[in-house]
Amino acid sequence: DAGVIQSPRHEVTEMGQEVTLRCKPISGHDYLFWYRQTMMRGLELLIYFNNNVPIDDSGMPEDRFSAKMPNASFSTLKIQPSEPRDSAVYFCASSLSGGQGKTQYFGPGTRLLVL
Amino acid sequence: AQSVTQLGSHVSVSEGALVLLRCNYSSSVPPYLFWYVQYPNQGLQLLLKYTSAATLVKGINGFEAEFKKSETSFHLTKPSAHMSDAAEYFCAVSGGSNYKLTFGKGTLLTVNP
Repeated sequence: DAGVIQSPRHEVTEMGQEVTLRCKPISGHDYLFWYRQTMMRGLELLIYFNNNVPIDDSGMPEDRFSAKMPNASFSTLKIQPSEPRDSAVYFCASSLSGGQGKTQYFGPGTRLLVL
Repeated sequence: AQSVTQLGSHVSVSEGALVLLRCNYSSSVPPYLFWYVQYPNQGLQLLLKYTSAATLVKGINGFEAEFKKSETSFHLTKPSAHMSDAAEYFCAVSGGSNYKLTFGKGTLLTVNP
């Protein structure tokens, strides 16, 4: 299996620009998670989906952030407009259903720098 | 609400020495506990997890952890450190009706030759 795939791996943009991060979960996994990692705040869950439906978006920092999952094999996290404080590594993870003990498999992350 | 505290943001050991990374959790429901490892510029990889079966859990690369409910701890150990163990280690907790993982701040392990 190819694992969780994220693109791009690196993104440099200017303040005010729109940024779109992409994720392809492991085939057959029905849970998808978006995390953000920063030095100050560590790893934070932004939002997660079950069967393409957003279940908990309480971690989304503000309205500039939005996430979609149009089908079982693709999800996007969009930031519009971007700000320097959004600079972070964004991870996507996926897991099977069957209980909270299921392992979340992480992608390699997208390193975002907003200038 | 759930939380994780990892004692020591940086641990340094000599090659061949015991590795002990500490994790304490807080949870109002029976917890599921995880240790993940992150190598530089990579994603997180599962080392091991506790899911209410055996309290002593063995993982990959010779690591193990023991769930101690009375101490609300889930410390990670390895008898003999290897240079390739140098990485950042994260403890995480989940449980209840929510599938979210709550992570600790991480512990950076340095292995000296």
